[in-house]
Amino acid sequence: GAVVSQHPSWVICKSGTSVKIECRSLDFQATTMFWYRQFPKQSLMLMATSNEGSKATYEQGVEKDKFLINHASLTLSTLTVTSAHPEDSSFYICSARRQGYGYTFGSGTRLTVV
Amino acid sequence: AQRVTQPEKLLSVFKGAPVELKCNYSYSGSPELFWYVQYSRQRLQLLLRHISRESIKGFTADLNKGETSFHLKKPFAQEEDSAMYYCALSGGYGQNFVFGPGTRLSVLP
Repeated sequence: GAVVSQHPSWVICKSGTSVKIECRSLDFQATTMFWYRQFPKQSLMLMATSNEGSKATYEQGVEKDKFLINHASLTLSTLTVTSAHPEDSSFYICSARRQGYGYTFGSGTRLTVV
Repeated sequence: AQRVTQPEKLLSVFKGAPVELKCNYSYSGSPELFWYVQYSRQRLQLLLRHISRESIKGFTADLNKGETSFHLKKPFAQEEDSAMYYCALSGGYGQNFVFGPGTRLSVLP
């Protein structure tokens, strides 16, 4: 199969702190992973493309210094929301693609900044 | 630019009725088209890929390049089909893809 594990599934943090979200491909290697953000009652918005061993590619309007992405290995990409603010509260989803299986999504992380 | 449109935010049908979820796209090359489904409190799941031309849970979708459409169809809707459906487009392996806004399908008893 092609399983992507995302952790944590939910997190509450104080305004001004940083939060790290992990995305792991469990049974395959993913050179490319994707990070999405989903606002309530809206579709998924691609934030960035995470490339193993190189810098992430961010979509227009997404702050690179705000949303730090690290893809240090072929099975792990992390998204760190730095100096979080209430407006960063959202549902974050990662995705990876395995040849022959299409795209697989993590279960998502609900971030609440208080 | 890649773009996916789903004109209906909400579609309600009665059980046993046919259902068609519309999806149109714009892409300059040869895209890959997908349908994803999200049941209540579950993660997004792949429903269909246009490449595989398969039928999953009774759903089918045909890529119409002339009309740039990839509508999802099922002849007889079931209550368990109630979910959020997203049409998505990709430029190919290693490329990111774009989701449509989604259509919430509600199948009434």
